[in-house]
Amino acid sequence: EIVLTQSPATLSVSPGERATLSCRASQSISRNLAWYQKKPGQAPRLLIFGASARATGVPARFSGSGSETEFTLTISSLQSEDFAIYYCQQYNNWPLTFGGGTKAEIK
Amino acid sequence: EVQLVESGGGLVQPGGSLRLSCAASGFTFSNYWMHWVRQTPGKGPVWVSRIKSDGSLTNYADSVTGRFTISRDNAKNTLYLQMHSLRAEDTAVYYCAKETDLSGNFIDHWGQGTLVTVSS
Repeated sequence: EIVLTQSPATLSVSPGERATLSCRASQSISRNLAWYQKKPGQAPRLLIFGASARATGVPARFSGSGSETEFTLTISSLQSEDFAIYYCQQYNNWPLTFGGGTKAEIK
Repeated sequence: EVQLVESGGGLVQPGGSLRLSCAASGFTFSNYWMHWVRQTPGKGPVWVSRIKSDGSLTNYADSVTGRFTISRDNAKNTLYLQMHSLRAEDTAVYYCAKETDLSGNFIDHWGQGTLVTVSS
């Protein structure tokens, strides 16, 4: 089973600042990585798939990069609505696995 | 708009059973693989099971194999998860999720989840 390790666990950012979230895979997953945003009481929302493709309706301030074992989600300028937990998920191998999450909180 | 609405969660004793349902709308349910994913507070989501669009193929996480059964009724646009021999470690929020029709097996829509608590 592929293990995904996200860092940092918590990211304290001021509104308008750039946020960089990391996801590391225990073995190569090519570019088969997705990112999700989770807010309390809401369904998780797909942000990025294929490591760098934005899902429909996702603002351009969200971008993904990386391949093989190292991936990054960047939020260029954090808005108030972006404070949430972010999870990465690999779909290169079964079973599907998720990272433990990074919480973006207001500094 | 894709909507997935889970129901059936609740408090159940260890060893008990529960059936979760997920009502789907806003897309052609019978065309898509569907999944169940669960999550405990403070941890990442964990994939539980998936079922092919026509119900002919299913997969399970090792931790639930032999205890959980995924099924679907395409005429009712509803996904199910029958859970038996429940354990404390099955306590979680259970999400119904739709797989993409793009290349890859990633999930593109999730429900809001239903809480299952296994406790005496």
